[in-house]
Amino acid sequence: AQSVTQPDIHITVSEGASLELRCNYSYGATPYLFWYVQSPGQGLQLLLKYFSGDTLVQGIKGFEAEFKRSQSSFNLRKPSVHWSDAAEYFCAVGAGDSGTYKYIFGTGTRLKVLA
Amino acid sequence: DAGVTQSPTHLIKTRGQQVTLRCSPKSGHDTVSWYQQALGQGPQFIFQYYEEEERQRGNFPDRFSGHQFPNYSSELNVNALLLGDSALYLCASSYRGMNTEAFFGQGTRLTVV
Repeated sequence: AQSVTQPDIHITVSEGASLELRCNYSYGATPYLFWYVQSPGQGLQLLLKYFSGDTLVQGIKGFEAEFKRSQSSFNLRKPSVHWSDAAEYFCAVGAGDSGTYKYIFGTGTRLKVLA
Repeated sequence: DAGVTQSPTHLIKTRGQQVTLRCSPKSGHDTVSWYQQALGQGPQFIFQYYEEEERQRGNFPDRFSGHQFPNYSSELNVNALLLGDSALYLCASSYRGMNTEAFFGQGTRLTVV
């Protein structure tokens, strides 16, 4: 069955510290992978996506993620966290045909940033 | 370029009532998907509409139904509301046939009392 696991429910980091949010997926075919961010009471904003090609993808706001097929992982990283990065982060896999896939989301990781 | 717009932003309904939520997709998009996000959870796929037909459906009861109009906008209807239907309902639009991501609206917060 297709699934996404985000093992860390909450993560707290100090401003300026590095960040890594973990994501593991289970999907039979080549996955389309996404990271979204959600501020309280808001919708989802796409940070980055992986469809094919280079396994290290760059996104907005200084985020990057690395696709590792052997580990079924797509971890999100940022070298220096800003207080404005505090939010909830969702990893998702696109399941289905190109352009018509549904997203399977993880349960999210809530990031707290200490000043 | 307007993104995905949803209405209303918030609403409160009583158990047993019916509710209709609305979504206008991003310009150029022809596919609309609906997701339910319960508090503290990730979004769960409800269904997807393309060419005015339901194309995919998640594990939701028939109380959840939808519609897509010729202008690609969409409605989500929920009948016989339960307390457990309280959630943020997200609409996502995309363009079928291209390898692109979906864009999400800000959501409708539904509270059932």
